[in-house]
Amino acid sequence: DTAVSQTPKYLVTQMGNDKSIKCEQNLGHDTMYWYKQDSKKFLKIMFSYNNKELIINETVPNRFSPKSPDKAHLNLHINSLELGDSAVYFCASSPQGTNSPLHFGNGTRLTVT
Amino acid sequence: QKEVEQDPGPLSVPEGAIVSLNCTYSNSAFQYFMWYRQYSRKGPELLMYTYSSGNKEDGRFTAQVDKSSKYISLFIRDSQPSDSATYLCAMMGSGGSNYKLTFGKGTLLTVNP
Repeated sequence: DTAVSQTPKYLVTQMGNDKSIKCEQNLGHDTMYWYKQDSKKFLKIMFSYNNKELIINETVPNRFSPKSPDKAHLNLHINSLELGDSAVYFCASSPQGTNSPLHFGNGTRLTVT
Repeated sequence: QKEVEQDPGPLSVPEGAIVSLNCTYSNSAFQYFMWYRQYSRKGPELLMYTYSSGNKEDGRFTAQVDKSSKYISLFIRDSQPSDSATYLCAMMGSGGSNYKLTFGKGTLLTVNP
């Protein structure tokens, strides 16, 4: 009955590879997000989708491409992985049209070697 | 100047102490203020949510917002070892900023038994 679930939990890969992280929420929320948390615990928004439509796209390299097949899913594909991409990636969701707080998944710890 | 400033600590207190955590911010458009708690290797979970200035109490936790000073606080009374975690302040505006939550860098708290 996990509200926001991400897979995989851990991802170790080599530079130059392409990888995907999947996120699903069962809260019925309309808006989903990807956040990146660096080694100093700083959480920074990357993307936000509302009802499958991209509404926030922060200054993120275009090697990162989000995809939302439906409003309950938001996946993140990363091409040509670099060492600096190593971080914890969090998916989150919130209801639409309100200033409701976000509900976070438990993160995907990506290590690029 | 960063939009949200938070002392990263670490902060170490004995069990039963009163803990005070603080954030300052520069964006006067922020209207909604939150505190998240993040345990090691977990996603942030919402602790407190307040709108505009004022106080809000929930059990041992009290959140204060002073918009005139652009300063928010979280107080934890009778702190417990289970309160040991990283505490993140977060805030957002209304209207066009609806979907963008800006975080502080987090304060690492350890409560010693």
